[in-house]
Amino acid sequence: EVELVESGGGLAQPGGSLRLSCAASIFKFTTYWMTWVRQAPGKGLEWVSYISSNGHTIYNADSVKGRFTISRDNGKNSVYLHMHSLRAEDTAVYYCARVAAAPWDFDYWGQGTLVTVSS
Amino acid sequence: DIQLTQSPSFLSASVGDRVTITCRASQGIGIYLAWYQQKPGRAPKVLIYAASTLQSGVPSRFSGSGSGTEFTLTVSSLQPEDFATYYCQQLHSYPRVTFGGGTKVEIK
Repeated sequence: EVELVESGGGLAQPGGSLRLSCAASIFKFTTYWMTWVRQAPGKGLEWVSYISSNGHTIYNADSVKGRFTISRDNGKNSVYLHMHSLRAEDTAVYYCARVAAAPWDFDYWGQGTLVTVSS
Repeated sequence: DIQLTQSPSFLSASVGDRVTITCRASQGIGIYLAWYQQKPGRAPKVLIYAASTLQSGVPSRFSGSGSGTEFTLTVSSLQPEDFATYYCQQLHSYPRVTFGGGTKVEIK
């Protein structure tokens, strides 16, 4: 059974940084794109970032471009979200998810980790 | 970005009811649409992908239809465990995917 477990959330000050981790138990982790999606309290879902299976291709939402960086370590079956210059509007539950083969829906999700940006 | 508009945003229904949720795209997206279910405090779970393909393990009372700009998610007979929030997602503009605003299904 595919399992994704996020960690690293918590309280950060505006302008601060956090690194989220997502540990995957997937038979062939190295063949899947991975993604981060966030959900502000009481709000809907917002795609944040993608990383290709080999880590060479990355896409970021405009709302986080230049501030967040996604990376992965295929040797550790893990994907990361490096968050810098945090803003109050980045407060959300952050989910990592596996990207299925075409048509690229998100077929497995972690339980999420809460990031709160506040002074 | 492609905008998705779900309707209704909220609906109240009874166990056994047939429920239909609509998702409209701001431009044609073919069948690049998925539906997710989210229960409070839980991660979303994919129900339908490619507009009408049921994800493995999802009960057959769920079905999806549509193409282009208009899509529907139907629950043929609502069960207690189906009370949740449902989101559509377009994948046509991958990687710049977007979600609809959600439809909360509550017990009448």
